[in-house]
Amino acid sequence: GAVVSQHPSWVICKSGTSVKIECRSLDFQATTMFWYRQFPKQSLMLMATSNEGSKATYEQGVEKDKFLINHASLTLSTLTVTSAHPEDSSFYICSARSLGKGEGSPLHFGNGTRLTVT
Amino acid sequence: QKEVEQNSGPLSVPEGAIASLNCTYSDRGSQSFFWYRQYSGKSPELIMSIYSNGDKEDGRFTAQLNKASQYVSLLIRDSQPSDSATYLCAVNIGGNNDMRFGAGTRLTVKP
Repeated sequence: GAVVSQHPSWVICKSGTSVKIECRSLDFQATTMFWYRQFPKQSLMLMATSNEGSKATYEQGVEKDKFLINHASLTLSTLTVTSAHPEDSSFYICSARSLGKGEGSPLHFGNGTRLTVT
Repeated sequence: QKEVEQNSGPLSVPEGAIASLNCTYSDRGSQSFFWYRQYSGKSPELIMSIYSNGDKEDGRFTAQLNKASQYVSLLIRDSQPSDSATYLCAVNIGGNNDMRFGAGTRLTVKP
């Protein structure tokens, strides 16, 4: 149980274009999903917390107009990298915990999306 | 002070040895602690969770928690080359719904 599916697993796009990444909880519902970014040989950095039916909460230094998050249902959150630039190239990972389970439960991670902007 | 601190390593142990990974955290109110393993180019996978002081064993893995010292560790017995990965310590910051990760410790188990 507690499977999180992330799509696509990798994407290459040209500078200036936008890329959408989907994160789905397959066998549980999640009111909250989390988006992380990881640069090579660095730790996971929380970008934003996606809340079902309301606005996402962004971490300091993360541009909300550049990284658009939509959490339209209890099983789907999307991250859109708008006007991507080479410095946005990174490994993006989503995660979620089951509905009704508070901070005591672990996060379940998607397989990640490797974004390369040329 | 970082919220969650780990030695970045690399930590190298011979096959069959015990690998000891350490983590400290800053928020005394934290109640939930996790160890994740991340292979290169992959996303993290949960190994252990621990909530109470003391030891928790699961197969070759033992998590240890000392809330008074704000310290959590992971022991890997009979280390195998397949255990070579980065191990991430994660802590739920007290009162919040998000999880903070340490920088990770890179472990190499040599055959």
